[in-house]
Amino acid sequence: ETGVTQSPTHLIKTRGQQVTLRCSSQSGHNTVSWYQQALGQGPQFIFQYYREEENGRGNFPPRFSGLQFPNYSSELNVNALELDDSALYLCATSLFGVSNYGYTFGSGTRLTVV
Amino acid sequence: RKEVEQDPGPFNVPEGATVAFNCTYSNSASQSFFWYRQDCRKEPKLLMSVYSSGNEDGRFTAQLNRASQYISLLIRDSKLSDSATYLCVVNYGQNFVFGPGTRLSVLP
Repeated sequence: ETGVTQSPTHLIKTRGQQVTLRCSSQSGHNTVSWYQQALGQGPQFIFQYYREEENGRGNFPPRFSGLQFPNYSSELNVNALELDDSALYLCATSLFGVSNYGYTFGSGTRLTVV
Repeated sequence: RKEVEQDPGPFNVPEGATVAFNCTYSNSASQSFFWYRQDCRKEPKLLMSVYSSGNEDGRFTAQLNRASQYISLLIRDSKLSDSATYLCVVNYGQNFVFGPGTRLSVLP
């Protein structure tokens, strides 16, 4: 059972709307990374947060933004939703500077944009 | 060249078969390597880390060739429950980059 919790599990939004996805970090993990996984593809890195600041970003437009809170939980916000934003959004937590243990993933939020 | 590339698959093998997956990465500075398993509509789960000397965990063997920037995963005596997508993961600095995955179907 994962120590990372994501909410909601499923979501349907209309094109042009805004969405906020949430992630609570596994105990002791201070870094949160967000990934987008389209059907049939590998997860694509969106960005990472450490010490409440963005610490690296993938090839995603500015309408994808995030926050990290003092308790290490995090939010992913997407504005002006497009149909192609339909995907599984995964939150992954880790301990900064310790890359040899990999990530712990949440169960994901499945977003459908119609 | 893409950051992480994998065999396109899918691999359809009978129970008991041995199957190998390959992965190449472009960043020679990468230090951490993993194989993740992802079941349909579920999150990826860590299968095993990959160490320079190669490592084995039961039926699973992972190997790393730094000179060729190549990682492999070998599964012996395949079980029906091994059916999943296998994702190769490589660190780029503090971030992890995933390959597109290779789907395995083990057939009865």
